Amino acid sequence: DIVMTQSPLYLPVTPGEPASISCRSSQSLLHTNGYNYLDWYLQKPGQSPQLLIYLGSTRASGVPDRFSGSGSGTDFTLTISRVEADDVGIYYCMQGLQSPFTFGPGTKVDIK
Amino acid sequence: EGQLVESGGGLVQPGKSLRLTCVASGYRLGSFAVSWVRQAPGKGLEWVSSISGSGGVTNYADSVKGRFTISRDNSKNTVYIQMDGLRVEDAAVYFCAKASSGGTQRVRFDQWGQGTLVTVSS
Repeated sequence: DIVMTQSPLYLPVTPGEPASISCRSSQSLLHTNGYNYLDWYLQKPGQSPQLLIYLGSTRASGVPDRFSGSGSGTDFTLTISRVEADDVGIYYCMQGLQSPFTFGPGTKVDIK
Repeated sequence: EGQLVESGGGLVQPGKSLRLTCVASGYRLGSFAVSWVRQAPGKGLEWVSSISGSGGVTNYADSVKGRFTISRDNSKNTVYIQMDGLRVEDAAVYFCAKASSGGTQRVRFDQWGQGTLVTVSS
């Protein structure tokens, strides 16, 4: 199984400041088709998860452009250019390359 | 855009069974694979099972293999998961999640239901 790790696990942020979360996989998520099968999800308090970024760097529909994803192979980063209060919650990376699909442990983002 | 709605959760004793249902509205669910993902209280997300759009391919996490069965009825726009031999460690909120395509590999989950709570306790 592909193991996903994230850091940090807790990230206090200041509104207006940038923030970034790292995600690493135990195997490369780069498919022969050239795509990285790495997604980012945000679970806001009391809600179900929502897709933010897929294929490593493509924003899902309706996701603000302050969110961006980067990386390839086994190392990925989610960046929020200017954090807003509404961005609090737990961010998960997930590998969608192969079953069993596996999630990182989550990074809790909170306002300082 | 449509939505997914889960139901069927509740309190069940260890060793007993429960069937969860995920109904889609606003689009034809049969064009898409669907997964069940669970979240134990205060814990992270764990993928449980997937079924292809046609229903011909299913996958399971090792932790539920042989005990859970995923199925679908595309005429009813519905996906099910039959959970037998429930254990205390199966207690969680169960989400159904729609994949962006009909296959069960190389997926992303672009729509999630609100979840249904399963409690396993004597």
